[in-house]
Amino acid sequence: EVQLVETGGSLVQPGKSLKLTCATSGFTFSNAWMHWVRQSPEKQLEWVAQIKAKSNNYATYYAESVKGRFTISRDDSKSSVYLQMNSLKEEDTAIYYCTLGPFDYWGQGVMVTVSS
Amino acid sequence: DVVMTQTPVSLSLAIGQPASISCKSSQSLLGTSGKTFLNWILQRPGQSPKRLIYQVSKLYSEVPDRFSGSGSETEFTLKISRVEAEDLGVYYCWQGTHFPYTFGAGTKLELK
Repeated sequence: EVQLVETGGSLVQPGKSLKLTCATSGFTFSNAWMHWVRQSPEKQLEWVAQIKAKSNNYATYYAESVKGRFTISRDDSKSSVYLQMNSLKEEDTAIYYCTLGPFDYWGQGVMVTVSS
Repeated sequence: DVVMTQTPVSLSLAIGQPASISCKSSQSLLGTSGKTFLNWILQRPGQSPKRLIYQVSKLYSEVPDRFSGSGSETEFTLKISRVEAEDLGVYYCWQGTHFPYTFGAGTKLELK
């Protein structure tokens, strides 16, 4: 059974940093392309970032809204994917989901609130 | 970015009634591979989204056959032949043909 479990969500002040972790199981993680997607309080879904597999040189891609501030990474030995979020803004407030594929399987999500 | 427009915003139906949701894209979703990467997901209340349909009309194995998808280029439709209680929630279309992936704003299916 595919499982994706996100952790690391929190309330943070604007300008601060936060790192999300997604621990996975139930599939061959090293071959998987992983994504982060966020859902705003208004329920709009937005793709955030993607990381490909080692065979694709771990290529990464970002939405323009987070480029230069967020970094996606992975640790195949731990079957985990990460999202380092720097210079956070209030508009980054959302539920952050880790997904396998594009969007074949989703974690339960983790809440990130950016507010002073 | 490709804009995905869903209608209606909400749908109130009784169990057993058919449902139809429209999704329109601001650009053709027919890719250079000849495939059209228009997909549907369902987010039930209090849950994370789950996959339903990929490449316009292909159902994932776990999806009941009362669901169907159709369309081409820029206009797509999700249909439910007879709504059941477990179908309630928000339906989103999303496109994977053009970078970046983009989602519609969702259509909420409620019980009448």
